[in-house]
Amino acid sequence: NAGVTQTPKFRILKIGQSMTLQCTQDMNHNYMYWYRQDPGMGLKLIYYSVGAGITDKGEVPNGYNVSRSTTEDFPLRLELAAPSQTSVYFCASSQSGANTEAFFGQGTRLTVV
Amino acid sequence: GQSLEQPSEVTAVEGAIVQINCTYQTSGFYGLSWYQQHDGGAPTFLSYNALDGLEETGRFSSFLSRSDSYGYLLLQELQMKDSASYFCAVDNYGQNFVFGPGTRLSVLP
Repeated sequence: NAGVTQTPKFRILKIGQSMTLQCTQDMNHNYMYWYRQDPGMGLKLIYYSVGAGITDKGEVPNGYNVSRSTTEDFPLRLELAAPSQTSVYFCASSQSGANTEAFFGQGTRLTVV
Repeated sequence: GQSLEQPSEVTAVEGAIVQINCTYQTSGFYGLSWYQQHDGGAPTFLSYNALDGLEETGRFSSFLSRSDSYGYLLLQELQMKDSASYFCAVDNYGQNFVFGPGTRLSVLP
């Protein structure tokens, strides 16, 4: 009964390094999302996907890339990490879009130094 | 674009009733969701309103007025475990969620 699984849970990156945040869901959901949450703030949509092979930009896509080669996986790539990308990253999925419950992973706490 | 407004903080005592308001401006509104997030945790779904009116789920109710671009979450019989942040989120063209800034609820004994 895993739901949405994110790895890693914590990571410290140096400025200019790159990394991939992994997200996988076992509920066969079509829609998947990546959000970032800065301390004391709301969640900002980075990218989303309505199905395998289809991705689209959200509110704050700059500095990130995504791919969706399978229904289960939706990795988020950070290229050339910057201190402004220090945040908690949440992956989520939903069955048929925003009119259904979204299930969130436990988050990845990323610090860029 | 979209913008949502919520009060930043609300405080109430155990057993009381509290209402958390949300106003929104958006071009592709399909509905309004509410999520709860405890400190250090992930958001969890509470409710979704597509039509005007009140939806009740146990101690929690959610209201929507599309003509006023306004909704609220009503929490009754408050318990200490209800202390958390509450986010409204606009259903954007049925495809994704745009979240509000969140309201931090503190329940006092």
